[in-house]
Amino acid sequence: EIQLVESGGGQVKPGGSVRLSCTPSGFTYKSYPMNWVRQAPGKGLEWVSSISSNSQYIFYADSVKGRFTISRDNARSSLDLQMNNLRDDDTAIYYCARGVGAYGGAFDSWGQGTLVTVSS
Amino acid sequence: DIQMTQSPSSLSASIGDRVTITCRASQSITTYLNWYQQKPGKAPKFLIYGASNKQSGVPPRFSGSGSGTDFTLTISDLQPEDFVIYYCQQTLTAPYTFGQGTKLEIK
Repeated sequence: EIQLVESGGGQVKPGGSVRLSCTPSGFTYKSYPMNWVRQAPGKGLEWVSSISSNSQYIFYADSVKGRFTISRDNARSSLDLQMNNLRDDDTAIYYCARGVGAYGGAFDSWGQGTLVTVSS
Repeated sequence: DIQMTQSPSSLSASIGDRVTITCRASQSITTYLNWYQQKPGKAPKFLIYGASNKQSGVPPRFSGSGSGTDFTLTISDLQPEDFVIYYCQQTLTAPYTFGQGTKLEIK
């Protein structure tokens, strides 16, 4: 069974930092692109960032570019999202998702999400 | 960036009805279009990829169609568990934008 488990969420002050992690299991992690998607309270889905299977290709949404950094360690089967200079509008549930399809941008498996609340 | 526009934003229907949700892309995405279903408090579920291909385990009452800029998700014989939120998403190019969602409500 494919599982993705996010951790690291919590409350942080504006301007602060937090590091999210995603622990995969049940599939050959190194073969798949991985992604972060967020959902603000009561709002829709927003793609945040993608990383290719070998970390060669990395993409960010404009809203987080320069502040967030996605990374992965295939040897340790881990995915991280370093979030710096956080703003109120970064408050959201953050999901990690496995990428499939031609460009890896379709998300066939999702974690349960971890909530990040940015508030003073 | 490619913008995705879903319509309607909400839709009322009865159990057993057939409904269609529309998704329009701001430019051609050929068939790089996916659909997701999200139940309250849960992560989204991958329903359809490549505009018309059902993910394993998705009931046959769900179907997708379209190409270019116009796409539809059709749900036939609505069941109680279908009254949730649906999102389209384009995967032609990053940013992999989602539609704003369509909430399906029981009439």
